[in-house]
Amino acid sequence: DVKVTQSSRYLVKRTGEKVFLECVQDMDHENMFWYRQDPGLGLRLIYFSYDVKMKEKGDIPEGYSVSREKKERFSLILESASTNQTSMYLCASSPIKTGQKNIQYFGAGTRLSVL
Amino acid sequence: RKEVEQDPGPFNVPEGATVAFNCTYSNSASQSFFWYRQDCRKEPKLLMSVYSSGNEDGRFTAQLNRASQYISLLIRDSKLSDSATYLCVVNFPYNQGGKLIFGQGTELSVKP
Repeated sequence: DVKVTQSSRYLVKRTGEKVFLECVQDMDHENMFWYRQDPGLGLRLIYFSYDVKMKEKGDIPEGYSVSREKKERFSLILESASTNQTSMYLCASSPIKTGQKNIQYFGAGTRLSVL
Repeated sequence: RKEVEQDPGPFNVPEGATVAFNCTYSNSASQSFFWYRQDCRKEPKLLMSVYSSGNEDGRFTAQLNRASQYISLLIRDSKLSDSATYLCVVNFPYNQGGKLIFGQGTELSVKP
């Protein structure tokens, strides 16, 4: 089974803090993604990566950065957390094998509260 | 127009009912289509891919109409355990970012 592991299920941080959300996948997938999910807005893509050290902006990258130093790990960074970044954050990975590409597997999510 | 639009929910149905969800997408170059299921406070999980000829998996049937840019999911003989939010998901081609676009989801509640 594919396993995507997010480092924390719940986090509480203060405004202005630097926040790291970690995601690790064990299936040697090339692609990794970070989303946030908010009521009424669905899943919105923040950043994604197709390869090590490579990153692409998603639909809402402002206020976030990412790091992919190893294939299995994709980190989301909030440089200076703000209250409007309180949300559920979901990491996903996908292979690029024909027949399986575009199927994304999700981690359990990190519910972040910024006070 | 939203890139992926779904029926507004929630759908409240009795056990044993048949329920259908609809979804439309805006990008005619989309190539892959999926239904994901998300339980309350859990992550989305793939329910089924949607193929051009339509496909069935037990009580679940998915249909794709490329001409109308329309996807559907039919659930027969609903079970209490089917209660969840169902997400319609469409990919954008790699020359447009290769992203998956998620609909907002339709909530299903199956009652005894």
